[in-house]
Amino acid sequence: AQKITQTQPGMFVQEKEAVTLDCTYDTSDPSYGLFWYKQPSSGEMIFLIYQGSYDQQNATEGRYSLNFQKARKSANLVISASQLGDSAMYFCAMRPSEYGNKLVFGAGTILRVKS
Amino acid sequence: EAGVTQSPTHLIKTRGQQATLRCSPISGHTSVYWYQQALGLGLQFLLWYDEGEERNRGNFPPRFSGRQFPNYSSELNVNALELEDSALYLCASSLGMGGLYNEQFFGPGTRLTVL
Repeated sequence: AQKITQTQPGMFVQEKEAVTLDCTYDTSDPSYGLFWYKQPSSGEMIFLIYQGSYDQQNATEGRYSLNFQKARKSANLVISASQLGDSAMYFCAMRPSEYGNKLVFGAGTILRVKS
Repeated sequence: EAGVTQSPTHLIKTRGQQATLRCSPISGHTSVYWYQQALGLGLQFLLWYDEGEERNRGNFPPRFSGRQFPNYSSELNVNALELEDSALYLCASSLGMGGLYNEQFFGPGTRLTVL
């Protein structure tokens, strides 16, 4: 079964600190892609970072990095130096195969950054 | 460059009516995707269109249907509306088929309320 699990419904982090949002996935296809999206209260989905199943190195994009542990089937998002504007819903998503193009999303984690 | 646009922003209907939601993709994108996000839940894949053809369909009843026009814009129709159809409907677009890293760009969504 193709599934994304985000076990943290909500997280708090102090401004300027780092936070890790958990994501585990399940797919039987050896070729897949993992995405993280941010959804502010406005509703629009904002792409943050991508990791391919064959990528040897963990992906990084500015303050975002992806802790990819293939054997554990986990793809945790690390946000460094949190800012108040990081408060939003965060979704982990998977393209479970090279064909089909659909994304499978987790339930999301609400992140609140405290000043 | 204009992003993905959706109309209307909000739509209020009563049970049993039909709803039509519209989406215009980013220029040059041939694929359009529809997702449903019910309150407090993650995104559920609805439909994928590419080059005017329906390519994939999520686990939704046939009263959810759509089409893609020659200019690649798309329409989602929901017939015989039920209360549980109330949700944010997000449209995304991407370049055509193929490849794990085929980023989907999302629109702002249409919030459908069924009374």
